[in-house]
Amino acid sequence: NAGVTQTPKFRVLKTGQSMTLLCAQDMNHEYMYWYRQDPGMGLRLIHYSVGEGTTAKGEVPDGYNVSRLKKQNFLLGLESAAPSQTSVYFCASTPRGKSYEQYFGPGTRLTVT
Amino acid sequence: GEDVEQSLFLSVREGDSSVINCTYTDSSSTYLYWYKQEPGAGLQLLTYIFSNMDMKQDQRLTVLLNKKDKHLSLRIADTQTGDSAIYFCAETSTGGFKTIFGAGTRLFVKA
Repeated sequence: NAGVTQTPKFRVLKTGQSMTLLCAQDMNHEYMYWYRQDPGMGLRLIHYSVGEGTTAKGEVPDGYNVSRLKKQNFLLGLESAAPSQTSVYFCASTPRGKSYEQYFGPGTRLTVT
Repeated sequence: GEDVEQSLFLSVREGDSSVINCTYTDSSSTYLYWYKQEPGAGLQLLTYIFSNMDMKQDQRLTVLLNKKDKHLSLRIADTQTGDSAIYFCAETSTGGFKTIFGAGTRLFVKA
């Protein structure tokens, strides 16, 4: 049981490049989330999903897209990276109705130059 | 909108108790949490408390909730150097999917 995994762990992009971050969970959780963490700030929710095929905007969705084609995977895409998207990105998952059981991945550190 | 605030730094000596405080604004909060983040790692759920509780104890950790003042605290007894980390306060409101996090309190434990 690996829990929540994220790939890649590190990435450096040039402004305007695109990339996809992958989150996978093997706990059969219904809900999945993408957060970003910036220095001196708490985690901010980018997008979330309450089930396969459904996604919704969080607090800071601009510049990101997501897809949940399979229950175990939640993808975060950056179509045209900007320096303001330099951050550490965390994925998390919870079972339905148990938001107090939120499991986090190890994070992806993204630098946009 | 909802907000969660906590002080940024706390320094204690090894063996002392640490108390990390947090205030929140959402009166419909259902769950309140404390997470721990060690350098280069993700967030680890330490403990949580339901809004209808006043206190929860789990080994060295004691969580106190004052709903009237919207104040949450985490007490770590006999603080060890391994407790050095960033501690995040967070809350989820009733029926909500979103968890709102504070900016984190960096705990330094001096030997």
